Amino acid sequence: EDQVTQSPEALRLQEGESSSLNCSYTVSGLRGLFWYRQDPGKGPEFLFTLYSAGEEKEKERLKATLTKKESFLHITAPKPEDSATYLCAVLRDSGYALNFGKGTSLLVTP
Amino acid sequence: NAGVTQTPKFRILKIGQSMTLQCTQDMNHNYMYWYRQDPGMGLKLIYYSVGAGITDKGEVPNGYNVSRSTTEDFPLRLELAAPSQTSVYFCASSLGQGSLGQPQHFGDGTRLSIL
Repeated sequence: EDQVTQSPEALRLQEGESSSLNCSYTVSGLRGLFWYRQDPGKGPEFLFTLYSAGEEKEKERLKATLTKKESFLHITAPKPEDSATYLCAVLRDSGYALNFGKGTSLLVTP
Repeated sequence: NAGVTQTPKFRILKIGQSMTLQCTQDMNHNYMYWYRQDPGMGLKLIYYSVGAGITDKGEVPNGYNVSRSTTEDFPLRLELAAPSQTSVYFCASSLGQGSLGQPQHFGDGTRLSIL
């Protein structure tokens, strides 16, 4: 059975304090690993797709990396507007459903 | 470009009532999905569609029905609402699956309470 575990559940950072969010996964045949951002009262907003181990993607202060067992979302010098819940999801080769983790709630204080 | 639009945004139902959650997308995506999100849980797939006239069950389909008569619209029907169906419902769409998974794009959800 596919499993996606995100840690920590919640993270509080000061503005400018860099950190990483973890997504550990087990899946039979990975087609893609997806990172989303979700603001309160909104739907998930697509950030990145990673397809194979060793792949990296960057967008502004965010950088996502992938190994065969986990993915990291690195946040460099975060700003208060980066506060949100970050969701990780995997898609298996034979499936249509994204299998989501429970998310990491990030709060960045000034 | 509106993307994925869901209506209504909020709704309160009484036990046993029925309703339809509306979802429409303007990106000409073939694939559409319905998920539910419960507090402290990951999103779970209810139903999905790979094109007009084709639908299939996801992980948690009981108590729900769907139809897909057009590329743009994918309504979700709740029959005989139960308190366990209190949740936030998200509709999503994607261009396709292909050899590489295409990202799914989400609407802003319908918050449904069954009392």
